[in-house]
Parts: sequence; structure tokens; C-alpha cells
Amino acid sequence: EIVLTQSPGTLSLSPGERATLSCRASQSVSSSYLAWYQQKPGQAPRLLIYGASSRATGIPDRFSGSGSGTDFTLTISRLEPEDFAVYYCQQYGSSPPVTFGPGTKVDIK
Amino acid sequence: QVQLQESGPGLVKPSETLSLTCAVSGYSISSGYYWGWIRQPPGKGLEWIGSIYHSGSTYYNPSLKSRVTISVDTSKNQFSLKLSSVTAADTAVYYCARTSGYSGYGSGYMDVWGKGTTVTVSS
Repeated sequence: EIVLTQSPGTLSLSPGERATLSCRASQSVSSSYLAWYQQKPGQAPRLLIYGASSRATGIPDRFSGSGSGTDFTLTISRLEPEDFAVYYCQQYGSSPPVTFGPGTKVDIK
Repeated sequence: QVQLQESGPGLVKPSETLSLTCAVSGYSISSGYYWGWIRQPPGKGLEWIGSIYHSGSTYYNPSLKSRVTISVDTSKNQFSLKLSSVTAADTAVYYCARTSGYSGYGSGYMDVWGKGTTVTVSS
């Protein structure tokens, strides 16, 4: 099973600042099968990025993903008030199970 | 657009079987995609439970495999989850979701989610 580690656990930033979230895998994620989700309290996760760097439908271009192998990054170029949430990475490149990281909370400084 | 809606009992007794259904609208399950279940214990992260294709092909999380059954009813355009011998550790919000970007073994990213349903295991 591929274990995903996310850092930092919490990121305290102000609106307008840049956010850089890290996701590290315990072994290489094949074909960059790595996705990112945003989750707000009381809501289901929302897909942001798939294939490590492709934005999902309707996702603003301030969200971008990069990386390969074991190291992946989600960048939010300029934080908007609605971006304060928990972000999860997920790998889907191995035999079951699909696994998720523990999440990074982005909160208002 | 595609919408998913979970339904089922919100309270299940320990040792009993949890049963949930996910109704799909706006898309025919028979047309493709894997359809899956994910859960989230209170205040914790996400755990993939398993997924199913319209043909009935299933993949499960090995950690839950002995207790999980996912089935599909294409005539009703829905799929279901059964989790047996539940304990308090199975208390969670349960989500159903569509799996896209299929990468094998029932895996992919989840691009459409239901709103989730809370299941509490307690006597």
C-alpha cells in the first residue's frame, strides 16, 4: 500500500498570499496518478487536480499541481477567502487500495 | 448533470450490518465508469472502501475486504454498500462517488461525489 504524507499539517496564511502544499508518497506513484481535493466543513470533497497537474472542470487557474515520482505539490497562487479549507492528496496508481493523505488545513492568519 | 445521493439508516447497532444505497441521476451506470464508496470518521481523513463496475466487477480495500460487499442494480441506476460486523470504529460519513481516469484495479480519481450520509454505530 502506498502511504501518502502531507505537509505542513496546517498552513496559516492571509488572503492574497501564495500557498504551497506538499504530498510525498512512500513509493513512486505510477504515471503521475495523483489527485488533489478541497474539502470545506460539512461538505464532500471537491476534485481540484488529477494526473498530478490537470485541473478539473471549473477549477480556477490559481490552482496548479506539479510533481512526479514520490513528490507532488499543490500551489494556490493567490488565496481567495473561499480557498480556506482542508486539502487532500490521493494516489490511484497502484493495486488496491486507493489511498489518501492525512490532509493539510489552510486557515486564515 | 450527474448527481449522486446516498441513503440508508443513520444508526446501526454493533455487530450488525451497515447497508447504504447510492442513487445516480443524470447518467446511466451501464454506460461506464467505476462507482465507489469512501468514508470519513469524525474529524479524520478519507478512506477508500471499494468500487464496482456495471458488470459487477468489484475491488475492495484489503483492510475491509472480509466485511464489505458492493453491488450494483442497473435497472434502478444505483449501487449499494454492505459492511458487516460493524463496531464503533465504523462510525463515519459515508460518501459515494464516480471514479474517473481509470488506472486499473477499480482505481481512479473521484470527480463526482454525493453529499454524504452519517452513520453512527451505537447500541
